Amino acid sequence: DIQMTQSPSSLSASVGDRVTITCRASQGISDHLAWFQQKPGKAPKSLIYAASSLQGGVPSKFSGSGSGTEFTLTISSLQPEDSATYYCQHYASSPRTFGQGTKVEIK
Amino acid sequence: EVQLVESGGGLIQPGGSLRLSCAASGFTVSNNYMSWVRQAPGKGLEGVSFISGGGDTSYADSVRGRFTISRDNSKNTLYLQMNSLRADDTALYFCARESHYSGWNWGQGTLVTVSS
Repeated sequence: DIQMTQSPSSLSASVGDRVTITCRASQGISDHLAWFQQKPGKAPKSLIYAASSLQGGVPSKFSGSGSGTEFTLTISSLQPEDSATYYCQHYASSPRTFGQGTKVEIK
Repeated sequence: EVQLVESGGGLIQPGGSLRLSCAASGFTVSNNYMSWVRQAPGKGLEGVSFISGGGDTSYADSVRGRFTISRDNSKNTLYLQMNSLRADDTALYFCARESHYSGWNWGQGTLVTVSS
């Protein structure tokens, strides 16, 4: 199975900061990577698919990049409503696997 | 509009069985890659079971041999049959539709609690 490793596991940043989360795959997955945002008690919300494509309705402050084994999710200007846990998931093969999550808090 | 609605969760004793359902609208289940994903209390997301448009299935090691994913094309519904349930299967279970061309859609989840 392909292992996904996210970093950092948590971060605290100020409103307006640029935030970057990294996801590494244990083997190459081309651009078969998605990013999700999850708030407590809620279903995950899709942000990015195909590594860099923005899901419909998602603000353009979210962006994704990368290919192969290294990927990033960037929030260009952090806002209070962005406080959540973020997960990456590969879909290059079965079983699909997730990163362990990055908890983003507002200072 | 794409919509996924899970049902079938509940409280079940260890060793028991449950069948989860995920009713889909706005797209055809049999033409899409579908997943069951769970989240245990205070934990991260775990992919449990998957079915491709062609009908190929796969499972996480933790559930292989106990869980079975299937679909009913006439009802446009995805299922997860869960047997020999254990306490560590306690989780919120989500179904999801995956598309490399239009993104993901998620249901709201159904809670499974395995306890005596």
